[in-house]
Amino acid sequence: LAKTTQPISMDSYEGQEVNITCSHNNIATNDYITWYQQFPSQGPRFIIQGYKTKVTNEVASLFIPADRKSSTLSLPRVSLSDTAVYYCLVGDMADPGGGNKLTFGTGTQLKVEL
Amino acid sequence: DGGITQSPKYLFRKEGQNVTLSCEQNLNHDAMYWYRQDPGQGLRLIYYSQIVNDFQKGDIAEGYSVSREKKESFPLTVTSAQKNPTAFYLCASSTPEAGTYEQYFGPGTRLTVT
Repeated sequence: LAKTTQPISMDSYEGQEVNITCSHNNIATNDYITWYQQFPSQGPRFIIQGYKTKVTNEVASLFIPADRKSSTLSLPRVSLSDTAVYYCLVGDMADPGGGNKLTFGTGTQLKVEL
Repeated sequence: DGGITQSPKYLFRKEGQNVTLSCEQNLNHDAMYWYRQDPGQGLRLIYYSQIVNDFQKGDIAEGYSVSREKKESFPLTVTSAQKNPTAFYLCASSTPEAGTYEQYFGPGTRLTVT
């Protein structure tokens, strides 16, 4: 079973860039890396997904090194509303019951202040 | 509006009773999932279904049962055999689009068993 490791918490200020790293040493060949954002008592919301190298969308970038044993979520110019828990998910969505069984990390609590 | 609905938002039951949590989606997604989240923890996969009339166990299926008689619906029954049923339950659905497997989550049901 894959284990993903993230920092428990991070603090930042409005307008700063925030980088959150997830370690997933046992990632399998068919696994994708997906990041979600969760506010208290709500369901997680998809942020970004990637397999290798760099992926960018309108809200974030995802950096994945060649060995794929870690990934970094980059949030540019955070605001107060970005205060949330961020989860790294590793798994093969085409085979959810496969080796890594859609393993969520314990999450990183990001706190953004003025 | 397309999305996933879970009802009720809060549910209270006495120990020893079975309880069924509802999950409905109108996104026309083939795959549906049930997760459990405990305070301060990540999400753990209970069951998933990739197609109607078929479902598979996730990491923590013991004490739970599901059915998938319709594409739109994936109810979860928490049985009396589940040792620690009090938790936040999240339902999700997904479909592969443009190579990604974004999961759409419902608002969750908070179950308290006393």
